[in-house]
Order: sequence, then C-alpha cells, then structure tokens
Amino acid sequence: AQRVTQPEKLLSVFKGAPVELKCNYSYSGSPELFWYVQYSRQRLQLLLRHISRESIKGFTADLNKGETSFHLKKPFAQEEDSAMYYCALSGHGDNYGQNFVFGPGTRLSVLP
Amino acid sequence: DGGITQSPKYLFRKEGQNVTLSCEQNLNHDAMYWYRQDPGQGLRLIYYSQIVNDFQKGDIAEGYSVSREKKESFPLTVTSAQKNPTAFYLCASSYYLGFTDTQYFGPGTRLTVL
Repeated sequence: AQRVTQPEKLLSVFKGAPVELKCNYSYSGSPELFWYVQYSRQRLQLLLRHISRESIKGFTADLNKGETSFHLKKPFAQEEDSAMYYCALSGHGDNYGQNFVFGPGTRLSVLP
Repeated sequence: DGGITQSPKYLFRKEGQNVTLSCEQNLNHDAMYWYRQDPGQGLRLIYYSQIVNDFQKGDIAEGYSVSREKKESFPLTVTSAQKNPTAFYLCASSYYLGFTDTQYFGPGTRLTVL
C-alpha cells in the first residue's frame, strides 16, 4: 500500500533561515509526487510537482528514489511562507485503480 | 466567482440519517474527487470520477456513495453505514483523467454527527 509520511507536525524557523520540510513515501512503482500548500483562510493548492522540475516561490523539491524521499526546501524563508504543507503521492492503488495519498501535513511557522 | 464550490460549509446530522454534500465546478474539468480529512491526518480519498457516469472507489469508500450525472457536479452521500462520519470533507477537480494533473480544491464541508 502507498503511504506518505511527514515526520514533523510543526516546524518553526526564523525569517531568512533555510527550511526543509521532510517527506518520505512507500510505493513499489514509480510515483508522481507533489507538494500542496494551504495558507491561512485559503484553499489547499498545488505548490509544485516533481515531474515539472520547477521552483515555485523559491521552493524546490528533489525526488530521491533511493531514500524514497521528496523533501521540500527553500534557502531563505519568508514570513509569508507560513502555512500548512502536504506532501502527496499519485500511483496505482491496491485495487488497480488510481490512488492519491496525502501525508499528514507539516505546519511551517516563519518567525520574524 | 468561478472555480469549485462546496455547500454547505457546516452540516449537522443525527445518527442514522443519510446526508448529501454538494460539489460543483465551472472549470470544465473532467475529473472530480472526494477526500476526507481527520485531525492530524492527511487527506484520504473516498471516491473519484474521471468522466460523467463513471466513478471509482478510493481507499475509504465504505459508507459513502456518489453520482456523476453532470460534468459540473459530483455529490457525495454519507450514509448511515459510515461508522464515523464526523470529519472535514474536501472536493477537488482536475482537467485530465488520472491524478498527475493539478487538483483544484473546494473550501470544504465540515460534517458533525450529533
């Protein structure tokens, strides 16, 4: 079964400090991985996808198949980055249909 | 205001009653999804639909039912068979079939069973 873990429920960093939000997954095939973000009083929205190999709002994420990780990084955190971040995986489900699995989320708090 | 809408925002239900949550989108998306979120947990997939008149079970479909009679609408019924229905329910949609495309989320409905 697919599973996504995010070991930190809360991560606090100071403005300007580097930030890394950890994500590990378990999946036997080749997954598609995503980071979704929810800012205060806003809807859940896509931040980035590994397939796009893009940098959004200064964030990047590298898929490491050997470590089954997809950590989200930003070199210099900003206060507006404070939000709830969810790592998600897309793949084939146990019933051979598609499945989409979210991690429990990490709340990032960037302190002034 | 376009996008994906869910109603109502809050819903209260007595035990033993079925209740239907509404999800509508005007984004012309083919695919729609329902998720459940419980405190401290990530979203879990209940049902998804890749096209009108077709839908598939997700990880936790037991006690739920859906229909997809129109492209714009994907209502979710929480039946009395669902053992622990109190949760936050999110609907989403995406352009393409499958899950590799960006999903756009609604604001959610919080269901409380009294």
